[in-house]
Amino acid sequence: AQSVTQLGSHVSVSEGALVLLRCNYSSSVPPYLFWYVQYPNQGLQLLLKYTTGATLVKGINGFEAEFKKSETSFHLTKPSAHMSDAAEYFCAVSASGGYQKVTFGTGTKLQVIP
Amino acid sequence: SAVISQKPSRDICQRGTSLTIQCQVDSQVTMMFWYRQQPGQSLTLIATANQGSEATYESGFVIDKFPISRPNLTFSTLTVSNMSPEDSSIYLCSVARDTDSGANVLTFGAGSRLTVL
Repeated sequence: AQSVTQLGSHVSVSEGALVLLRCNYSSSVPPYLFWYVQYPNQGLQLLLKYTTGATLVKGINGFEAEFKKSETSFHLTKPSAHMSDAAEYFCAVSASGGYQKVTFGTGTKLQVIP
Repeated sequence: SAVISQKPSRDICQRGTSLTIQCQVDSQVTMMFWYRQQPGQSLTLIATANQGSEATYESGFVIDKFPISRPNLTFSTLTVSNMSPEDSSIYLCSVARDTDSGANVLTFGAGSRLTVL
């Protein structure tokens, strides 16, 4: 079984500051890891994913995440926050292989302060 | 990626009634998923709906409470039956998108926000 823990239900950063959203996972098999973003009144959309290969993955809107197996982490970062980044971010995990059940974290709401 | 339309976008219902949520996809998809999103909690998978077969329910969810239909490859419905205030939530339809890596990448509808009084 897989599970995800997101530290911090709310994170506030100043515009232009580093964004760091934390995610730790638990999985008994090699995981696939995802970050999704949800803007107000919209469905979730994929930011980035890790499956195999390079552990640093780049996504849309300047976000990236690094898979660290030894730390069971998949933290999301962006060097410089923009007002448009204000949204809720969900980390998710599945077992490797096609069409495996995806398990989501509880989400982190990012506030960007001008 | 697929475009998903959900109806209704929101509704207020009375205790004891039932509501059917519709999910329409603009392309044919094999697997559709229904999730529940409660405030402060993670998205919880209710069931997986494949065309031509019975939906597969996750632990804690039963067909009598959440009957699902999947009549074709572009449409599904989720009914929330005999509602109580505890059913107040956002219900999300999603579909799986094939990727080169084989990962189960999900595309979501905007959700149906249900309030039960």
